[in-house]
Amino acid sequence: AQSVTQPDIHITVSEGASLELRCNYSYGATPYLFWYVQSPGQGLQLLLKYFSGDTLVQGIKGFEAEFKRSQSSFNLRKPSVHWSDAAEYFCAVGPSNFGNEKLTFGTGTRLTIIP
Amino acid sequence: EPEVTQTPSHQVTQMGQEVILRCVPISNHLYFYWYRQILGQKVEFLVSFYNNEISEKSEIFDDQFSVERPDGSNFTLKIRSTKLEDSAMYFCASSAQGRRGHGYTFGSGTRLTVV
Repeated sequence: AQSVTQPDIHITVSEGASLELRCNYSYGATPYLFWYVQSPGQGLQLLLKYFSGDTLVQGIKGFEAEFKRSQSSFNLRKPSVHWSDAAEYFCAVGPSNFGNEKLTFGTGTRLTIIP
Repeated sequence: EPEVTQTPSHQVTQMGQEVILRCVPISNHLYFYWYRQILGQKVEFLVSFYNNEISEKSEIFDDQFSVERPDGSNFTLKIRSTKLEDSAMYFCASSAQGRRGHGYTFGSGTRLTVV
């Protein structure tokens, strides 16, 4: 069964500092991987996704993530955070078969930005 | 950009009442999903739907839940007799056939409050 672990429940970062949010997955085959962001009371916005090819994926809002098969990881990074990046971040994994694509989410990492 | 539309954005209902949550998936998508997020917790898969039938459901999706695609555009989730613990944000999603995860898109959610 597929699973996702986000080991950091809460991270606090100064505005302008770099950010890395960790995500580890468990899946028997090649997964496809997502990062979503959720502001309080809002829906899920897709930041980026990985299916195959280049293991460094660029997303919206200046985010990027790197797929490392050997470490079963898909960590999210941003070189310089802005106060508006404060939100909850979810990593998700989906199966590699076509069609029915149930996503399994991690428990999320809450990001707080301090001035 | 195409969107998944959910209505209402917020619904309050009394315990024991039936509720129907509505979703309009992206028009050329063929796979439809419902997810649930209890306040402060992770997003959980409920059910997936393809070719007018359920293709997969989770343990959460018990007999009090049902889904339907009553016409060519709507996709509904019915909770037959709501319980307090059904209070959550419910997300609809849809995806296209073919390339893995292509166009996988979430709606902005319906917040269900059972009182």
